[in-house]
Amino acid sequence: QQQVKQSPQSLIVQKGGISIINCAYENTAFDYFPWYQQFPGKGPALLIAIRPDVSEKKEGRFTISFNKSAKQFSLHIMDSQPGDSATYFCAASMGVWGSGNTGKLIFGQGTTLQVKP
Amino acid sequence: DAGVTQSPTHLIKTRGQQVTLRCSPKSGHDTVSWYQQALGQGPQFIFQYYEEEERQRGNFPDRFSGHQFPNYSSELNVNALLLGDSALYLCASSVTGGAESPLHFGNGTRLTVT
Repeated sequence: QQQVKQSPQSLIVQKGGISIINCAYENTAFDYFPWYQQFPGKGPALLIAIRPDVSEKKEGRFTISFNKSAKQFSLHIMDSQPGDSATYFCAASMGVWGSGNTGKLIFGQGTTLQVKP
Repeated sequence: DAGVTQSPTHLIKTRGQQVTLRCSPKSGHDTVSWYQQALGQGPQFIFQYYEEEERQRGNFPDRFSGHQFPNYSSELNVNALLLGDSALYLCASSVTGGAESPLHFGNGTRLTVT
């Protein structure tokens, strides 16, 4: 119930292509769904986050699509660039909207993205 | 504006020893969360400190303990180290109360237990 399942484990995309990473969850109490990007030797950095009452959120080349009924959400990276090569993690948390506290995140297993020039 | 800083960056310990890791949160943040990231895995929540008290805890044994100081900085202590404790330990800070406050992570402390 507390798991967040992420796929694929790895992804290779050509420069300019679209990268798509998917996540699924079981616990309907989750109310905050962020995506993090992590480069080797660095900590995760927040890319974009969404609430379950919104079906899509876009920030620059990054878009989250959210399907509440299917309990799934995905990250789309448009016009993928070699600099986007990193590991991406989806995550989920609950009780955020009462306290603002996003601290206890449940992370997916990660997707290693390689964008070929 | 300094982000989350962690020390040391790398540490090698022997099985059975004790270790203390340190974290300074991002300026303006009052809440510190600790995560363990095994190689090739997503981070796992250890615990969270706010107002110098442990507020939430993940599925980690009592060998893992922490502390938060009045200046909001924090320490993670691990006793009786096991080989399986080898991992990247991440500290993240945020603000509690009000609107959603995203986690800001440090670059971590790489702990190797031999």
